[in-house]
Amino acid sequence: EVQLVESGGGLVKPGGSLRLSCVASGRTVKDAWVSWVRQAPGKGLEWVGRIKSTSDGATTDYSVRVNTRFTISRDDSKNTFYLQMSRLQSEDTALYFCATEERWTYSGTYFDSWGQGALVAVSS
Amino acid sequence: DIQMTQSPSSLSASVGDRVTITCRASQTISIYLNWYQHKSGKAPRPLIYASSSLQSGVPSRFSGSGSGTEFTLTISSLQPDDFATYYCQQSFSPLPSFGPGTKVEIK
Repeated sequence: EVQLVESGGGLVKPGGSLRLSCVASGRTVKDAWVSWVRQAPGKGLEWVGRIKSTSDGATTDYSVRVNTRFTISRDDSKNTFYLQMSRLQSEDTALYFCATEERWTYSGTYFDSWGQGALVAVSS
Repeated sequence: DIQMTQSPSSLSASVGDRVTITCRASQTISIYLNWYQHKSGKAPRPLIYASSSLQSGVPSRFSGSGSGTEFTLTISSLQPDDFATYYCQQSFSPLPSFGPGTKVEIK
């Protein structure tokens, strides 16, 4: 099983930027798909975006709500994944989790290992 | 976008009760449906994937069923550790989406 640890959360002003990191340990994740999922205060889980494995082209997908503002990247040499967030809005205030996506078919996936989350607060 | 709904949004039950949670998709998703348990301040835990496959290490009192647009998660005999919020999630679309959650509370 892989362990994930997020970092980089904090308080940022509206319109600002922040980068979260997700470090994986326990096994290599070079073939892993990794997603970011967030939970706003008092709300449910919301998928933010994913990055596929390097062997799958490291392609990315994003939810409509964050597309063009958020960018996910990976550094397999460091077993680390990043969520770069820009033009942040108050609605982006949330606990951000990274999670590996286990595939039971090529397109059928579920979120297997999760980190504990990094808190992002957007406020003036 | 595929929209997911869950019912009920919350329920109160006692230890030993049988609990059923329903999840519906806005369009057919075959069996591309997963269930998670989430306790506040902790990482979500996968329970069921592909509608009915039990994740390794998950107790057998949890089971899932359904296909198409309607799915259920059943806890056969509720245990103290099971009080949490449960989410369904579809992976049929390239853009996954979660249901709004069902909070299971102690009666």
